[in-house]
Amino acid sequence: KNEVEQSPQNLTAQEGEFITINCSYSVGISALHWLQQHPGGGIVSLFMLSSGKKKHGRLIATINIQEKHSSLHITASHPRDSAVYICAVKGGSQGNLIFGKGTKLSVKP
Amino acid sequence: DAGITQSPRHKVTETGTPVTLRCHQTENHRYMYWYRQDPGHGLRLIHYSYGVKDTDKGEVSDGYSVSRSKTEDFLLTLESATSSQTSVYFCAISRSGTGGFNEQFFGPGTRLTVL
Repeated sequence: KNEVEQSPQNLTAQEGEFITINCSYSVGISALHWLQQHPGGGIVSLFMLSSGKKKHGRLIATINIQEKHSSLHITASHPRDSAVYICAVKGGSQGNLIFGKGTKLSVKP
Repeated sequence: DAGITQSPRHKVTETGTPVTLRCHQTENHRYMYWYRQDPGHGLRLIHYSYGVKDTDKGEVSDGYSVSRSKTEDFLLTLESATSSQTSVYFCAISRSGTGGFNEQFFGPGTRLTVL
């Protein structure tokens, strides 16, 4: 069983829709990361959170430590949001991240 | 931008040849990581370093070695490349973020093809 599970694997949305991507994990963690990988391949850190909620522009990330679950929301989605969104938790003894397999989002105009 | 570069960005090589990938950072971060990314697997840790000459193995270290003789450079070597090592390789550094937690920042990646 994967230690970090994301859903859905693939998501297609129309421009303007509200989007939710989910992440569940089975290990104890100190922090959870949401990353974005564009078609060109580069990986960008969106959020790092250990409790509650964080907001940056149209992106909102929440985490529930008790339920071991996090969500990434995108409001008023736009085609430029099309990317792979990756959830990762810091649970390794080496300080490394344990990654989910990613959610591929495609926003159609 | 955490000042991370990787070289080469693309490489095609033949089975059995040695390959070295370089990760260079400009901000003197102590922790550096090498990951590989493959379809259906997500990113997986190969090796990491917690200082000059201090390295340790990750989840998928077989067939790889690393070296860190200077803070700014972390080298990943495939002693004898195999087709199963065809992948995209990412270097990352760990930098202190808010709340005392360390945030990771990634290099642009190296696409390696082993024929």
